[in-house]
Amino acid sequence: EAQVTQNPRYLITVTGKKLTVTCSQNMNHEYMSWYRQDPGLGLRQIYYSMNVEVTDKGDVPEGYKVSRKEKRNFPLILESPSPNQTSLYFCASSWTGRPGELFFGEGSRLTVL
Amino acid sequence: AQSVTQLDSHVSVSEGTPVLLRCNYSSSYSPSLFWYVQHPNKGLQLLLKYTSAATLVKGINGFEAEFKKSETSFHLTKPSAHMSDAAEYFCVVSDWSNDMRFGAGTRLTVKP
Repeated sequence: EAQVTQNPRYLITVTGKKLTVTCSQNMNHEYMSWYRQDPGLGLRQIYYSMNVEVTDKGDVPEGYKVSRKEKRNFPLILESPSPNQTSLYFCASSWTGRPGELFFGEGSRLTVL
Repeated sequence: AQSVTQLDSHVSVSEGTPVLLRCNYSSSYSPSLFWYVQHPNKGLQLLLKYTSAATLVKGINGFEAEFKKSETSFHLTKPSAHMSDAAEYFCVVSDWSNDMRFGAGTRLTVKP
């Protein structure tokens, strides 16, 4: 089954404790992206990757890191989480030849105390 | 720069009545436009897309959207709402480089 898998789905952590949210897709998509969803703001892009070893900042990259060492994986790293990073995070992927046609994971709800 | 404005944050309809979710866009290029649906505790799912072919686009679950360049609109419609349509809907504009802009979302409530 074609899917984008995120882990963990739910996480409560404390300020400053490094964490990683994993994202994996099984569709051989070149393009992968991370978004955060906050009430009334829709989805805002954090980072994206056009292919392996190619990443770029989105609209709200501060406080986040990413890497793309393999085509299927695109982890999101919060080196020192802060309460303003409490949000719902989504990973998405697509073929570069079909921009905008994203496949989304089910989301990771992060709370930073 | 491109952007999307969803004109209603919340729409409430009765089951069996028409649905209209409004979206206006701004883009310097010939845009691609999308509607995504998000059911509670789920990721977003592509509902339909417009990519400069027919201006009336049909999607899944009976939804349609019409691209009107003169009005810079891409409103989502469905003739008859079903309880399972209750969800959040996002209008999205994209250019050729995958630079996507999401609207703030419209929550659709369907009353029995």
